[in-house]
Amino acid sequence: DADVTQTPRNRITKTGKRIMLECSQTKGHDRMYWYRQDPGLGLRLIYYSFDVKDINKGEISDGYSVSRQAQAKFSLSLESAIPNQTALYFCATSDNLDGIDTQYFGPGTRLTVL
Amino acid sequence: GQNIDQPTEMTATEGAIVQINCTYQTSGFNGLFWYQQHAGEAPTFLSYNVLDGLEEKGRFSSFLSRSKGYSYLLLKELQMKDSASYLCASKDSNYQLIWGAGTKLIIKP
Repeated sequence: DADVTQTPRNRITKTGKRIMLECSQTKGHDRMYWYRQDPGLGLRLIYYSFDVKDINKGEISDGYSVSRQAQAKFSLSLESAIPNQTALYFCATSDNLDGIDTQYFGPGTRLTVL
Repeated sequence: GQNIDQPTEMTATEGAIVQINCTYQTSGFNGLFWYQQHAGEAPTFLSYNVLDGLEEKGRFSSFLSRSKGYSYLLLKELQMKDSASYLCASKDSNYQLIWGAGTKLIIKP
């Protein structure tokens, strides 16, 4: 079984709809991240959480919100989706026990907003 | 501003060696990561450098020069399965990863 899972894997929605992307992990990591990836651009950080009570905005948080329901679960919401939020979304996890805080990624959610 | 530069695309031959360069400008520096990403899949961790020099891991090696803001990933004995994008990322003073757009590596028989 995959250590980091994301649901759904693909989603097509319409402008103005509310969307939730979910991420679960069995790695036991405290830190979780949401990124988006667009063609020709690097991964960009949306939100990150270092533990259940810690939520931080990343580079591009506008239009997004998150919820850390448990150590293993981190959800990303688009309150009112718009076409320029069409992208590949990745969840990642890490801990710092290895001293370098390596991030491990889920398989991604491909979101299309029409 | 923060910036990571790497070539958009490179082509190499099966069995050969290829070097993928990365230059970075970030506010602070806490390490340089390389990830591999096959099309439509998740990035997977390849290597990490925080001190100057070469780190070798099987067919893959990564080099860092902090004074030059420069790193490279060296892939030896290329195999068709090495066709992928290679992502360079620098960890800044806030311990956040700043990512390059990736280098798409095409391997030809």
